[in-house]
This record gives sequence, C-alpha cells and structure tokens, in this order.
Amino acid sequence: DSGVTQTPKHLITATGQRVTLRCSPRSGDLSVYWYQQSLDQGLQFLIQYYNGEERAKGNILERFSAQQFPDLHSELNLSSLELGDSALYFCASSVGSSGNRLSYEQYFGPGTRLTVT
Amino acid sequence: GENVEQHPSTLSVQEGDSAVIKCTYSDSASNYFPWYKQELGKRPQLIIDIRSNVGEKKDQRIAVTLNKTAKHFSLHITETQPEDSAVYFCAASMGGGSYIPTFGRGTSLIVHP
Repeated sequence: DSGVTQTPKHLITATGQRVTLRCSPRSGDLSVYWYQQSLDQGLQFLIQYYNGEERAKGNILERFSAQQFPDLHSELNLSSLELGDSALYFCASSVGSSGNRLSYEQYFGPGTRLTVT
Repeated sequence: GENVEQHPSTLSVQEGDSAVIKCTYSDSASNYFPWYKQELGKRPQLIIDIRSNVGEKKDQRIAVTLNKTAKHFSLHITETQPEDSAVYFCAASMGGGSYIPTFGRGTSLIVHP
C-alpha cells in the first residue's frame, strides 16, 4: 500500500457524460500528478499540482481539468467523454520540490478504471 | 521534449536466468531515472532509481546502470523468479520542482518456472 488512495476503483459511463476522479496523496506529500494509461499509449502524464497550484501540464485534453484542494486531495474532471477515454487513470504523489532526494520519488495510487460505452 | 525508448517490449526467461531491459533517452538535461514494476491490474511501483551523478546502483537482485554519454540506462535482474513477472517501465526526467517523468513503453517480463 503506497498510502495514495483513489476513488472510485471502477467507473462505467456513456459517451458524452462527465465524471470526477478523486485522489488523496500520502500524508505530507504536497505534489499530485495525474496519469492516463491505455494499452496503446502507455503511461501518459496529464497534469501536476503542487500545494494547490497547477505546476505542469502534459498531454491533457481541453475536455479534462483538475484541481487540488486546500486539504491537498485532487480531483480530475473528464467531460464530453469519448470511447477513446477508456483507460486506467492513476494519480501519484511526492513530497514535492523540497530540494532533497525524496522529492523525486512518486508513489502511485491503485488507479481508477474508466470504461466509456 | 524528452523521448524515451525501451527495449525489448517482451522478454521471456527461465527462472534463475538474468534479465536486462534497456532504455535510451534524448534530453541530456535529464538527471533522474526511475524504474517501475507494474503487475497486472495493479499500480506502478518504484523498484529502483538512479541519479545522473551515479553510474550504477544495486539493490539485492536488481541493479541499474547509467551511461550519460550514450544517454542510455539499463535494468538488470539476476536470479529471476516467477514473481518477477510483470511489466517494467523506465522513465527519465529533469529533477527539481516539477519532475515530470517521460516513460518508456514498458517491457513485459515473463519468468518461466
């Protein structure tokens, strides 16, 4: 158990719908990263938040958005869902930019499997 | 941006053999190289990592080597066991505040008893 929690574990929804995925980082970690993992694309970085603020963006679609709340949990919102959005969505947390080695290590949550039908 | 190539995509070995997975990266500014193991349906787990000021690092049966000049790094697993069967991902990143890793496509390691 990495200490990172994600809910829900599974989500089945229809095209055009909107869903929210939730992540709680490890205690003490300030940074949250979201990744999408699909069979043909591997692990793709979507977005990073650090202490409530967006820090970096990757291959995140405009239909997707995220935020990190004052208690440091994060939500990933996926809207106007398409069949191709079906994937495993992971969040990971790390200490953040503390300047020491620990800031580099990311701990992944168990993931949310999204199926769009 | 960074590009990470990982080979082979599938590796099949007999129990007790060694396994080697190789990755190359494109951005010479990358300085942190983690390796993750992902069992079927589970989360990626960090198994070992190396920073650019180190050429080799070992942890029991696992070792990672880094050649900064050639921009490649490798994972070595000795005395493989069936429980080593999983998908292994390499990644490269520039450390510091954001640390956004670019992942390889993964290697499916199968260890036959």
